[in-house]
Amino acid sequence: NAGVTQTPKFQVLKTGQSMTLQCAQDMNHNSMYWYRQDPGMGLRLIYYSASEGTTDKGEVPNGYNVSRLNKREFSLRLESAAPSQTSVYFCASSERAGVGNTIYFGEGSWLTVV
Amino acid sequence: AQSVTQLGSHVSVSEGALVLLRCNYSSSVPPYLFWYVQCPNQGLQLLLKYTTGATLVKGINGFEAEFKKSETSFHLTKPSAHMSDAAEYFCAVKDDYGLSFGAGTTVTVGA
Repeated sequence: NAGVTQTPKFQVLKTGQSMTLQCAQDMNHNSMYWYRQDPGMGLRLIYYSASEGTTDKGEVPNGYNVSRLNKREFSLRLESAAPSQTSVYFCASSERAGVGNTIYFGEGSWLTVV
Repeated sequence: AQSVTQLGSHVSVSEGALVLLRCNYSSSVPPYLFWYVQCPNQGLQLLLKYTTGATLVKGINGFEAEFKKSETSFHLTKPSAHMSDAAEYFCAVKDDYGLSFGAGTTVTVGA
């Protein structure tokens, strides 16, 4: 019962380095999401993909890019990491982006930018 | 846009006592509301959700929440706290493309 799997779980980057967070879901879901979690701010949506072949900006997209590689996979890329991007990143998926559908989360990726 | 506000960033309860976590929402459409729990260094797990129908929703681990439209609230309760309930709890409302989360409430349970 893998659900939503994201890698790596922990990463330390230097300012200006780039990296990609990988995410895959095995629930045949249409919609996938990337959130970041910061203390006292809950989770904020970075990007989402309502269906294969589409991606859209969420609340905090600056400094990030995404790729919906196929129905299963949705990656998040930091082109030039900044200390402000130190956060916990969660990938998630749902059957559809419509109302009422439960969103399932991965276990998180802890990213530190020094 | 839809949003939620969680009242109280930290709640401390004694084992066996009532757990009450407050959540108020703002929505221009009938809301779909969720409570998630996050254990330390873990992802978020769905506790319960309200979409339509019965306003009292029962979830996992003995938690329940009541949707009150007149008060724009969706408070989470558990009659008797257990040590294993120590975690962070997030209220969320479905918006156009995902979920809009509250800031979270950390629950500590004392013996």
